[in-house]
Amino acid sequence: DTAVSQTPKYLVTQMGNDKSIKCEQNLGHDTMYWYKQDSKKFLKIMFSYNNKELIINETVPNRFSPKSPDKAHLNLHINSLELGDSAVYFCASSQVGGTGGEKLFFGSGTQLSVL
Amino acid sequence: GQNIDQPTEMTATEGAIVQINCTYQTSGFNGLFWYQQHAGEAPTFLSYNVLDGLEEKGRFSSFLSRSKGYSYLLLKELQMKDSASYLCAAMDSNYQLIWGAGTKLIIKP
Repeated sequence: DTAVSQTPKYLVTQMGNDKSIKCEQNLGHDTMYWYKQDSKKFLKIMFSYNNKELIINETVPNRFSPKSPDKAHLNLHINSLELGDSAVYFCASSQVGGTGGEKLFFGSGTQLSVL
Repeated sequence: GQNIDQPTEMTATEGAIVQINCTYQTSGFNGLFWYQQHAGEAPTFLSYNVLDGLEEKGRFSSFLSRSKGYSYLLLKELQMKDSASYLCAAMDSNYQLIWGAGTKLIIKP
């Protein structure tokens, strides 16, 4: 079984559309994250949820809205997609709320291309 | 500001040793991570250092000097499968990870 799974793997869409990316982890972790990796390969955290509560909300546009129905799932919904949203989006999880050496487990990524 | 610096790209020969350096500037410090990322794949955890010194794990070792804001990842007996990007990330006082852009390591036969 895949530890952190996200779908879809590839997402190609037109500007202005609304899309969602789903993420599920079966590791029993308390914390889940969304990261964006741009063309320069920098990983930037977007959101973090600890037991269904938002604990980090970096300065991302409010077109991006995370939703966590339970601690095993963290979905990302994006409204009114723009060209600059094209990137790879990674879901990740960790055991505790990032308070130390807890390693991150990443999903396989979603390559989003906005045309 | 907070910053991570690591070389953009390095080339090494199969069977050799390579050292990938990372310098960091963060507001507070709660440890340094190294992750490996193959092209088109997710990053995977390699090591975590919070105390000064060398941590050895098989062919990979990671070193930390907190006073110098410096770390390196040492890869021995290089194999072709080690061709990947190596990401350095420092954890600040708020337990947030600050990521470098990664070092792309190319292994030649």
